[in-house]
Amino acid sequence: KQEVTQIPAALSVPEGENLVLNCSFTDSAIYNLQWFRQDPGKGLTSLLLIQSSQREQTSGRLNASLDKSSGRSTLYIAASQPGDSATYLCRPDRASGAGSYQLTFGKGTKLSVIP
Amino acid sequence: NAGVTQTPKFQVLKTGQSMTLQCAQDMNHNSMYWYRQDPGMGLRLIYYSASEGTTDKGEVPNGYNVSRLNKREFSLRLESAAPSQTSVYFCASSEALDGGKAFFGQGTRLTVV
Repeated sequence: KQEVTQIPAALSVPEGENLVLNCSFTDSAIYNLQWFRQDPGKGLTSLLLIQSSQREQTSGRLNASLDKSSGRSTLYIAASQPGDSATYLCRPDRASGAGSYQLTFGKGTKLSVIP
Repeated sequence: NAGVTQTPKFQVLKTGQSMTLQCAQDMNHNSMYWYRQDPGMGLRLIYYSASEGTTDKGEVPNGYNVSRLNKREFSLRLESAAPSQTSVYFCASSEALDGGKAFFGQGTRLTVV
């Protein structure tokens, strides 16, 4: 069974700082990994998807990297803004054989960006 | 664009009552999912449907049934609700299980008393 860990559970930074969120997973046989954002009381929004053959993906101020062999992914946020305050979740996806799939989320990192 | 629409947004049930949570997507996606989100437990997969006509169990399927009515709609049924099923339920869809970003609905907050 895939275990997904996100550290830290919560993070508070002043506006303008660059920051890194971490995601680790126990089974490296994944076919892709997604990073999501969740605002309080809302659904999730997919930010970046990295396929297993890729090392990183970028969207605006966000950059996600994937080291499949070590079971790690990082989400880098440049020049943080108060609007970035949210919970960030990762989901490494794997096929567990016989046509079944494991789509397991980490518990997330709650980010607060202080003006 | 509507994306993924869930109904209802809020529901209170008595123990033993039944109900169906509805989900529809308008993005012509093949795959659809149901998750539940609980404090301290995170998001857990209940059931998923790789394509129209197929459904599979996820991590926590007990107490639930699903129907992939057509390509657009994927419903989740609680036959006899229990307090342990109090949760926020999210439906999601993607082009395929093994590719494409996942799009989530806004959630259904269910309380079983």
